[in-house]
Amino acid sequence: DIQMTQSPSSLSASVGDRVIVTCRASQNIGSYLNWYQQKPGKAPKFLIYRASNLQSGVPSRFSGSGSGTDFTLTISSLQPEDFATYFCQQSYKTITFGQGTRLEVK
Amino acid sequence: LQLQESGPGLVKPSETLSLSCAVSGGSISNHSYYWGWIRQPPGKGLEWIGSIFHTGSTNYNPSLKSRVSISVDTSSNKFSLMLTSVTAADMGVYYCARHRPECVGSSCFWEGWFDAWGQGTQVIVSS
Repeated sequence: DIQMTQSPSSLSASVGDRVIVTCRASQNIGSYLNWYQQKPGKAPKFLIYRASNLQSGVPSRFSGSGSGTDFTLTISSLQPEDFATYFCQQSYKTITFGQGTRLEVK
Repeated sequence: LQLQESGPGLVKPSETLSLSCAVSGGSISNHSYYWGWIRQPPGKGLEWIGSIFHTGSTNYNPSLKSRVSISVDTSSNKFSLMLTSVTAADMGVYYCARHRPECVGSSCFWEGWFDAWGQGTQVIVSS
């Protein structure tokens, strides 16, 4: 199984901050990495596919990068609605998710 | 597109969990998509359970494969999940989702991403 490890597990930030969430795969997964946002009590929302492609309708302050084993999700200027938990998901071999990064208000 | 899960919210240990997902605003027979189930234990992360194509072709999480069955009913635009021999470890929120496969050039691989989700349904395992 390909293990996905996110860091940090939780992160405190303020509105306007630049935030980076990291996801590491246990083996090379190319660019087969996707990102989701989940707010409490809600279903996940799809954000980014194949590491760096923004899903339609997702604000441009979100961006993704990386390949191989190391990936990042960046929020360039944090907005109040961005406080949520973020999950990465690999689609290289079967499907597995990271454990999540909780983004909290500082 | 909307997806709506339904099914018993309470299942007894060792029994079978059965959930359905009704798809509206789009056809489950769309050749571009699979349809998947994902679950989330309380306070934990996401776990993919399995996915199905409208033809009935399925892919399952290896860790659950022996207990999982996913089926599709194209006439009613629904797909369903059965999970046998449930235990407390199977408790959580169960989501159905539209599953976009990875397509590179003319080649497509069933792995991909989930671009539309149902609201989720809570499942409790208790006698």
